[in-house]
Order: sequence, then C-alpha cells, then structure tokens
Amino acid sequence: AQSVSQHNHHVILSEAASLELGCNYSYGGTVNLFWYVQYPGQHLQLLLKYFSGDPLVKGIKGFEAEFIKSKFSFNLRKPSVQWSDTAEYFCAVTRYGGATNKLIFGTGTLLAVQP
Amino acid sequence: KAGVTQTPRYLIKTRGQQVTLSCSPISGHRSVSWYQQTPGQGLQFLFEYFSETQRNKGNFPGRFSGRQFSNSRSEMNVSTLELGDSALYLCASSGGLAGATYDTQYFGPGTRLTVL
Repeated sequence: AQSVSQHNHHVILSEAASLELGCNYSYGGTVNLFWYVQYPGQHLQLLLKYFSGDPLVKGIKGFEAEFIKSKFSFNLRKPSVQWSDTAEYFCAVTRYGGATNKLIFGTGTLLAVQP
Repeated sequence: KAGVTQTPRYLIKTRGQQVTLSCSPISGHRSVSWYQQTPGQGLQFLFEYFSETQRNKGNFPGRFSGRQFSNSRSEMNVSTLELGDSALYLCASSGGLAGATYDTQYFGPGTRLTVL
C-alpha cells in the first residue's frame, strides 16, 4: 500500500534561516506529488505540485521542492523563512494516471518560525 | 472563482445521533473528495465522488456514507456517532477528468464536528 513519511514532526527556526522538510513515499509506480500548507485557523492550501518534467518545482511564497525518483523523495525547501511561514506542512501523493484522486498524506510537519 | 464551501462550519452532537455535512465544489469541478483530519490519525481519505458515482472509498465503517448530486454538490453522513468521530471533515474538489491525471484538489475550510 502507498504511504508517505514526513520525518520532522516539529521544526523550530529563526527568521531568515533556511528550511528543508523531508518527504518520502512508498509506491513502485509513477506518482503525482504535492505539498499543502495549513496556516493557523485557515484551510489547506496548495503550495506546489509535481506531475512530470523538471524535477525542481517552484511554488508560491518562495517555496520549492525537488523530486528525486531514485530516493522516492520530494523535499520542500525555502532559502529564508519568515514568521508568516509558521504553519503545518503536508506532503501528499496520488497515483499517476489512476482512476481516482485519492490523496495519501504524510503526518505533517509543524513549523514554528521565531521572529 | 469562489472556492470550495462547506456547511456548517461547526457542529456539536451527542453520541448516537447522526449528522449530515455539505460541500459545494468550485464551479466546473466534477470530483469531490472527503477527508477526516484528527490529531492522532492525521488526514485520512473517506471517499471520492465523480459524476454522482462513488469512485473510491477509504477504510471507514459503513456508518460513514456520502452522495453527490447532479450539480456536483456533495453531502456526507455519519450515523450513530461515536466520540472518536470528533474531527475536522474536509472536502476537496477537482476537475475530475477521467483518469485523474494532472488533477489537483482544492480544499474547503472544513466542518469541525464535536461529539459529546
């Protein structure tokens, strides 16, 4: 069965620090990959997605992620975080070309950015 | 375009009651999925509807059911509520093209259900 692992459950950073959140998935076939963010009191929002092509994808608010197929990874990065990036971040996958949109989510990483 | 809307936003019920939650997808979207979010289990897939047909179902008991109407609006129902059903229930919509390739889900604000 598909699964998604996010290794960091809680991350605390100071403003301007660099961020990298790990995400690994287990599935032998081709996948679509997503990062969603949930700001305090707000709904899940799409940060970025990867379907095919350039494995380095750029999203909103300066976030980017790199798909490394050999490592089954899709890590999220940001060179310099801001206090407003405090949120919970979820990695998710769906099967490429599948007949369903079912998203498998990781357990989430809670990021706290200290001013 | 208006986003995904869910009603009600908050609900308090007691054990044994039933509840119906509603979701209106983004205009033009035909696929609606439901997820349960809890602190212990995270985000778990409940079911997906496309063109009024259930396309996939997660590992939840039969007390959880749903349906989709011809205008793509969807409802989910939970019967005989248990304390463990307390959660944030999220609805997501997408274009839902056949095969679901390149499809992206957009989430609503959720309905916070508390079971006492």
